[in-house]
This record gives sequence, C-alpha cells and structure tokens, in this order.
Amino acid sequence: QVQLVESGGGVVKPGGSLRLSCAASGFSLSNSGLHWVRQAPGKGLEWVAFIRFDGITKYYGDSVKGRFTVSKDNSQNMVFLQMNSLRPEDTAIYYCAKLGNPWGQGTLVTVSS
Amino acid sequence: DVVMTQSPRSLSVSLGQPASISCRSSQSLAYTDGPTYLSWFHQGPGQSPRRLINKVSIRDSGVPDRFSGSGSGTDFTLKISRVEAEDVGVYYCMQGAHWPFTFGPGTKVDIK
Repeated sequence: QVQLVESGGGVVKPGGSLRLSCAASGFSLSNSGLHWVRQAPGKGLEWVAFIRFDGITKYYGDSVKGRFTVSKDNSQNMVFLQMNSLRPEDTAIYYCAKLGNPWGQGTLVTVSS
Repeated sequence: DVVMTQSPRSLSVSLGQPASISCRSSQSLAYTDGPTYLSWFHQGPGQSPRRLINKVSIRDSGVPDRFSGSGSGTDFTLKISRVEAEDVGVYYCMQGAHWPFTFGPGTKVDIK
C-alpha cells in the first residue's frame, strides 16, 4: 500500500538551510510525481513544490521560488526538498504528497533565532 | 497565480443536517475538452489532510457517499448530505489546473 514518510525537520536559524526527505513505498517514483505542501501553525494549507516523474520538470510556489529546490532519487524511491535562506515565515509542518491519499504525518520545520 | 476563495469561512451544523461549502477560483479551472482540476480536502483536528473529491466530483476511494462535489469553470460546491461527528475539521478546495497550484483559505466545520 502507498505510504509516504517525511523526515529531516528541525530547528534552524533564519538564513540557514535544511534538507527534507520523503520516503515513498507502495509505488514507484520513477513513474510518479510528488508534491510538497506545508502548513504554518494554526494556518491553512500552502502548496510549495512539485517534481514530475522525470525529475526534470519542477514547479514552485512564489513564496519559495529561488530558495527551495526539489529533487528525487529514483533508486532510493525518495524525494528531497532543499530549503535555503530560511525565514521565520517558513515555519510549518511540511508534507510530501501525491495529493491523493494517504498523506504522511509531515515533518516540522521551525525557523527561529 | 490563481486565487481561491471559500465561503463561508466557518460553519456550525447539527448532526444529521446538510452542509454546503462554496469555492471560487479567479480563473477557469477547465481544460479545453478535458477535465476540470478542482479538488476538496478535509483535515480533522490533529490529522493530516485527506482528499475527498478530485476533478470536481470524483470521490476518492473510501470516501462516504454523503460527500458530493459539483460545479464548473470558476464556481464549485462541496455538499455533505448529513453531517456526522467525524466530519468536523477544516475543508479546503485546491486548484490543479494552473501552476503553481493553490489552496483556498479553508472552511471550519463544527457541530452545533
């Protein structure tokens, strides 16, 4: 069955970097794209990024464009989100998702001095 | 970017009563001769989101048939025919027709 497990969250200072990982099982990322969606504490869902099955086509939300980079490793069946120049407003739970079900539990990123 | 709006922003419903949530997009979500990419998600308290409806009206596997989606172009509706206790939480619409994808602000549903 489909399962997505996010990891790599933590506390980082403003301007710092963090790399999130998403381990997929039950399907192959070599023929499936994956999204990143985040949710700031007490706020709504915000779409962040997408990587297509080919690993070449990528899209980003305006608030992270130029700072975040999505990538994938088909051999490990994993997707990554490299987050640079982090800001306090990037504090959120980050979910990787096919957008269909199920979603993972997410990983919490806190940007604070 | 496509702006998604929802109304109402909060809704208090008695058990067994119907509920309806409206979602509007700033641009049409319809592809020419193709599907319309509007989805609905539910997030229960302390839970991860779960998709209920895809492409306006297609229920995801395991979603009860009391949930239904309708609409076209820029105007969409999610209806719950008879609200149950497990339906509390926040409902989001999301457009997947134009990059970047965007979510609506959410509608909080609780039991009266």
